[in-house]
Amino acid sequence: NAGVTQTPKFQVLKTGQSMTLQCAQDMNHEYMSWYRQDPGMGLRLIHYSVGAGITDQGEVPNGYNVSRSTTEDFPLRLLSAAPSQTSVYFCASSYGDRNYGYTFGSGTRLTVV
Amino acid sequence: DAKTTQPPSMDCAEGRAANLPCNHSTISGNEYVYWYRQIHSQGPQYIIHGLKNNETNEMASLIITEDRKSSTLILPHATLRDTAVYYCIAMYNTDKLIFGTGTRLQVFP
Repeated sequence: NAGVTQTPKFQVLKTGQSMTLQCAQDMNHEYMSWYRQDPGMGLRLIHYSVGAGITDQGEVPNGYNVSRSTTEDFPLRLLSAAPSQTSVYFCASSYGDRNYGYTFGSGTRLTVV
Repeated sequence: DAKTTQPPSMDCAEGRAANLPCNHSTISGNEYVYWYRQIHSQGPQYIIHGLKNNETNEMASLIITEDRKSSTLILPHATLRDTAVYYCIAMYNTDKLIFGTGTRLQVFP
């Protein structure tokens, strides 16, 4: 099992550019989530999904779109990147069972200039 | 989900037990207590969880008080690699995992 795979690991964008952060898991997890972590700060939930075709907003959803067409993939789209979106982005997944925790990816470090 | 309160920072000598407290005085009867940690720049890592009983796994032990208003995560023999931010989270529905500020544990030689 590869676990939760995030690509790319590093990315530099210019203001106004769009891009998609990829997240894939091979554990047949129903729940998937996206977080951002600003330097020296805590993790904040952006969007989450409880299954294919179902997504919902987290704490800081503005400026981001998500979709979940398959169980395995949960891409995060930045429509028009802003310097305030400079952050480390983490994807996570879980069975959705209370007896299991979330598995996190290794993160994507995004800089918007 | 119940609010949790943790000390902002703690120190522990290498080889000693690290006892990380968490207060969750408003926890409801069906909310679980979960612990995660984040080692610098890495993705968070699930450690352990419990409902009522004390729990132990290969990473740590979780002690929950009888009234369930507080819990303690125990790392029995802390190593330098255990230096991290530790998060205590109380929740029933696991669709949204919301992190608080956690406890920054520094293990020193």
